[in-house]
This record gives sequence, structure tokens and C-alpha cells, in this order.
Amino acid sequence: RKEVEQDPGPFNVPEGATVAFNCTYSNSASQSFFWYRQDCRKEPKLLMSVYSSGNEDGRFTAQLNRASQYISLLIRDSKLSDSATYLCAVNIGSNYQLIWGAGTKLIIKP
Amino acid sequence: SAVISQKPSRDICQRGTSLTIQCQVDSQVTMMFWYRQQPGQSLTLIATANQGSEATYESGFVIDKFPISRPNLTFSTLTVSNMSPEDSSIYLCSVEDLKIEQFFGPGTRLTVL
Repeated sequence: RKEVEQDPGPFNVPEGATVAFNCTYSNSASQSFFWYRQDCRKEPKLLMSVYSSGNEDGRFTAQLNRASQYISLLIRDSKLSDSATYLCAVNIGSNYQLIWGAGTKLIIKP
Repeated sequence: SAVISQKPSRDICQRGTSLTIQCQVDSQVTMMFWYRQQPGQSLTLIATANQGSEATYESGFVIDKFPISRPNLTFSTLTVSNMSPEDSSIYLCSVEDLKIEQFFGPGTRLTVL
């Protein structure tokens, strides 16, 4: 089992819809969680950190479920510009490294 | 967040040659990393660039193939040595803040013929 797993997609979603995807992690000692966005031929960019209480930034909501060991990302009222690959990253706390998921590709269609 | 630049942005190289990639940060950072990302794949950590000491390499990566320098807290280089077509990839440097958030340079797109 991979340490961090994501559904590769692609998720094909009509504009304006709500889309959610998860990222599961295997190490229960994981302490820090992140969602990154990567556009084609660009570097990953931090979208949001995921806190225990969950957090929201505009149309984006991230949540952590420690019991089931996954994090989720919800995008409401999706825009064409949301089309990208979404990577999750996890830190287990014993060192400074991030463990990366393979990414979920999202395609928003008009 | 820190502003990170990389040079070159892209290069096409002949097999057997070496390429050195530079990563410059606009502020002092403790943690700096080098990643490789093959087309359609996720990020693979090559090594952690340690200031003033040898880099810490991940499994499958060795210093002879990927020598790294970190002369100060704002700069690092990664060399891809004796290149083969399998080394064609995007190479990214990243820095980490105190919240373990990582920020990436724009990447170097390498093609080896």
C-alpha cells in the first residue's frame, strides 16, 4: 500500500458543479497535511494547509478525518480555471519531508 | 512566501554530458529540497540539500549521479551527471517554512537526446 494515495481521475465536471476528492494516508503518526495545485507544465503551488478543525478559503474547503486517515478537498461552484492536478502531501512529523500523492486530475467543462 | 528562481528553465543535452541547475531564493531558508517529476507522474524527492554539509539522498539516488551543493542559505545547485535519455524530466527545487509548507521554483525541463 502506498503511503499517500489519490484517485488519479480525471474528474470531468461541468462548470458550476461541486466536486470533492480524497487523499488517504497510511501512517497514523501523520501530523501535517496539505493540498497543492499543479497546472500543466507549471510547478506545484500550495492551495491550502489542512487543519484538524478543517478550513475554508472561498470556494475551497479542506477537511481531515483522522479516524479514517484521509483528507478531502471540496470545490464549490467550480470554474474553468480550476482545471488542474491536485496533489496532496503529508508530513509524519518525525522529519521535515513531505510524502506526496500522485495527484488527481480535474477537468472543468463549460 | 519566498521567491524562488531556477536556471536554466529548460535545456536539451546530449547523452554523456552533465548539466548543473541553480536554485536561488530571495530569503534565507533552512530546508531546501530537490525533486524530479516525470511527465504525468508525481514528485520524487531526490535529496535534501544541507547547508555546509553533504546532501541527504533518497533511496535510488546517489551523489555521484546527482551531486548537490549548498554553499549558503539562499542558494543550491543540482548537477545531473553523465546524462542518459532516462534523465529527461522536470527538476524542481523547493524550500520549506516553519509550518512545513513547501514552495517550489518554476522547474527546469531537461531533455536528453
